[in-house]
Amino acid sequence: DTGVSQDPRHKITKRGQNVTFRCDPISEHNRLYWYRQTLGQGPEFLTYFQNEAQLEKSRLLSDRFSAERPKGSFSTLEIQRTEQGDSAMYLCASSLVLDNNEQFFGPGTRLTVL
Amino acid sequence: AQKVTQAQTEISVVEKEDVTLDCVYETRDTTYYLFWYKQPPSGELVFLIRRNSFDEQNEISGRYSWNFQKSTSSFNFTITASQVVDSAVYFCALSEGGANSKLTFGKGITLSVRP
Repeated sequence: DTGVSQDPRHKITKRGQNVTFRCDPISEHNRLYWYRQTLGQGPEFLTYFQNEAQLEKSRLLSDRFSAERPKGSFSTLEIQRTEQGDSAMYLCASSLVLDNNEQFFGPGTRLTVL
Repeated sequence: AQKVTQAQTEISVVEKEDVTLDCVYETRDTTYYLFWYKQPPSGELVFLIRRNSFDEQNEISGRYSWNFQKSTSSFNFTITASQVVDSAVYFCALSEGGANSKLTFGKGITLSVRP
């Protein structure tokens, strides 16, 4: 399978716990993006990387959120001290910075905070 | 600031009807890209089309067609002879600068195609 993969697909946690999600982009894609989608809304941009460098962060990304892409391949998104408002689908996408290629999305990780 | 408006929230049609999904965008950039994505019930966003701001040619791909009009800041999507498998949420999105920049999505349109 050469698509974007995300793990886990579903995560249920209690308020106050930390969670970490992983995204594996399409091989050789140098840009990796994180978005969040709540029910009935379109995805909202959180952050993106080019290789291992984090180039932009949305103001939606509070101090409790941190993302890394240590070797320029997979990425992790960690949420500390989760709140009920963090419940959402977290989507990862990747693209190749060449000839303005489009972003390809993974299946998402659905987070439920109880 | 960039913005995408999809004023229609839900559309229901009977199979074989044509349906048009509207998208209006706002941007101050002269270089930008517009996209349509489909999100079926399974949840994964599927890329449908990309258009850059310098190319206003309409495009047709099978039963799908897109009408890009800079004069009205619109990028509408028409499905001809709709099928039940077209039932999904459709998102219009905008990126300023290059297609690899962050995407700003509309709220999406839920299309239901009844047999």
